Amino acid sequence: GQNIDQPTEMTATEGAIVQINCTYQTSGFNGLFWYQQHAGEAPTFLSYNVLDGLEEKGRFSSFLSRSKGYSYLLLKELQMKDSASYLCAVTSGTYKYIFGTGTRLKVLA
Amino acid sequence: GAVVSQHPSWVICKSGTSVKIECRSLDFQATTMFWYRQFPKQSLMLMATSNEGSKATYEQGVEKDKFLINHASLTLSTLTVTSAHPEDSSFYICSARDISDYEQYFGPGTRLTVT
Repeated sequence: GQNIDQPTEMTATEGAIVQINCTYQTSGFNGLFWYQQHAGEAPTFLSYNVLDGLEEKGRFSSFLSRSKGYSYLLLKELQMKDSASYLCAVTSGTYKYIFGTGTRLKVLA
Repeated sequence: GAVVSQHPSWVICKSGTSVKIECRSLDFQATTMFWYRQFPKQSLMLMATSNEGSKATYEQGVEKDKFLINHASLTLSTLTVTSAHPEDSSFYICSARDISDYEQYFGPGTRLTVT
C-alpha cells in the first residue's frame, strides 16, 4: 500500500530551527515535494527532491534519502508567518501526488 | 507563470441542489488536472484525475455520479457536485500540470457550504 507519515503537530519558538520529518512507503518513486499551506488557502510550493541529498533554498532546506524512504524539511530562523501546515507529497509513475498527513507548525513568540 | 484560478472562491448552496466549480490554467496548457477535497485540519485527499478529452479517473470511494468532472479543453476543468448534502461541505482545490512537468500548480480553492 501507499503510506506517508508526518508528525501531526509541532511547536517551535521564533528564531529557532525546526525539522519536519516525512517517511514514505510507496509503490514507485519519482520525487518528493514539500508544500506550505496556510489555513483556507491553497498549498504553495517549497521544494522538490529527486536525488538523495540536501537542497537548500534560503531559510528552507529539504533532504531526501530514497533508500530509507525518508525526507525532512528544515526551517531556519523561524518567523511567526511560518505558522502553517507543511505537506510532503510523493509522486510515482502516474504523476499523482500522494500527500502525507500534514504537519501543523505553530511558531511562538 | 503557471497560474491556476478557481471560481467561485466560496459558495453556499441548499441541500439537494448542484454546484459547479471551475478550474482554469491561465498561462499554460494543462494536460492533466486534479481535484482534491480537504476537511478542516486534514491533508488534501485526491478525488479524481482528469486528462483533456478523456473521462476522469476517480479514486476509490469517490462517487463518480455525484462528483462530475469535465475536462473539455487544455485550460478548463469543472467539478459539479450534484445533489449536494451538508456532508459535502468542504474545501475543494484543483491543480494542474503540463506535459513536461511533475509539479502540480494549485488553484486558490473553493469553500463549499451546503445548508
